[in-house]
Amino acid sequence: AQSVAQPEDQVNVAEGNPLTVKCTYSVSGNPYLFWYVQYPNRGLQFLLKYITGDNLVKGSYGFEAEFNKSQTSFHLKKPSALVSDSALYFCAVRESTSGTYKYIFGTGTRLKVLA
Amino acid sequence: NAGVTQTPKFQVLKTGQSMTLQCAQDMNHEYMSWYRQDPGMGLRLIHYSVGAGITDQGEVPNGYNVSRSTTEDFPLRLLSAAPSQTSVYFCASSYRAPFFTDTQYFGPGTRLTVL
Repeated sequence: AQSVAQPEDQVNVAEGNPLTVKCTYSVSGNPYLFWYVQYPNRGLQFLLKYITGDNLVKGSYGFEAEFNKSQTSFHLKKPSALVSDSALYFCAVRESTSGTYKYIFGTGTRLKVLA
Repeated sequence: NAGVTQTPKFQVLKTGQSMTLQCAQDMNHEYMSWYRQDPGMGLRLIHYSVGAGITDQGEVPNGYNVSRSTTEDFPLRLLSAAPSQTSVYFCASSYRAPFFTDTQYFGPGTRLTVL
């Protein structure tokens, strides 16, 4: 079965410092990877996705993600964190089983940016 | 566009009661899905639909029914509520099925407590 793992439940970073939220994946075939963000009491919002092409994907709100095939990782990054980036972040992968396609989400990483 | 709307925002049920969580989208999206979000477990797919009249089970379908009589609406029915169904429920939609890796749009969620 295909899956994603987010090894950190929480990441703390000081405002202005770079941030990284980690995601590793396990898929058969080409990976299709996504990052979503959830602010308190809100639904998830799309940040970015990797389908093919450049390993560095740029997304919304200054976020980017680096696809690394050899390490099967898709880490989310931002050069300078803002307090307003504090939220719950989900990595997701498109899974295919017997010709049916679904999205599988990780368990989420809570990012806390400290002023 | 209102996007994806869900009602109610909050609901408390007693064990054994039934209810319907409403979901609607005004983006003419073919694909709609229901997830539940539980601490430490991320989002898990309950049911999904690739178009009006077509539904299928996701990862955790037991205790839930769905129907898709129109493109816009995708209600989730709890047949006989159990405490294990206490969760936050999210409806999501995308223009096409996951095969096409279109962005998913999420509703604001329904927080359900079953006593």
